[in-house]
Amino acid sequence: QITLKESGPTLVKPTETLTLTCTFSGFSLSTSGVGVGWIRQPPEKALEWLAIIYWNNDKPYRPSLSSRLTITKDTSKNQVVLTMTNMDPVDTATYYCARKRYPAYYFDYWGQGTLVTVSS
Amino acid sequence: QSALTQTASVSGSPGQSITISCTGTSSDVGGYNFVSWYQQHPGKAPKLMIYEVSNRPSGVSDRFSGSKSGNTATLTISGLQAEDEADYYCSSYTDSSTLLFGTGTKVTVL
Repeated sequence: QITLKESGPTLVKPTETLTLTCTFSGFSLSTSGVGVGWIRQPPEKALEWLAIIYWNNDKPYRPSLSSRLTITKDTSKNQVVLTMTNMDPVDTATYYCARKRYPAYYFDYWGQGTLVTVSS
Repeated sequence: QSALTQTASVSGSPGQSITISCTGTSSDVGGYNFVSWYQQHPGKAPKLMIYEVSNRPSGVSDRFSGSKSGNTATLTISGLQAEDEADYYCSSYTDSSTLLFGTGTKVTVL
């Protein structure tokens, strides 16, 4: 059974750095072709892809946010960490992590999501 | 990087068929057969319904089907049921090696 779960702060202040952790089970990020991505969704708005990390450590980022994003993996802990610097109220959103396989271009398993509010 | 364009809302009566369109460009939808569709109920995570234009994951009802023509992909829901009421998002690979989601479509079952 494949599961993913996001964890991190629910509230961050403007200019702070957000660190989110995705803890997963049922698959390994050391397996060829496997990736884990982050997607966010502002309240009442559409989904927005942020970043993916693959088994081979390839890390494509959303171009408009690439300067603020860092994605890393800890294969031994089955975790993927996303950091986003210089948070702003417009970054308020539910953040999801999801599994993706290469060379497929869809997310087949998703976490429940975690709401992050940016406010002073 | 603009979002793919979807009709904001679509409605239908139980048993009817509805279609949801997703329009992009030759750099994304039109250029690759890597269009997927997700269903999202309120307060829930998205669920994969269609991948690679027209393929259904195991467990997804065959009432859901996908197709593509040029720069527009289409999701069809036949035999509309109450539980189909949700938001639907398309997604496509792009020639920038990124993923793009659609603006979302709210499906209402009358």
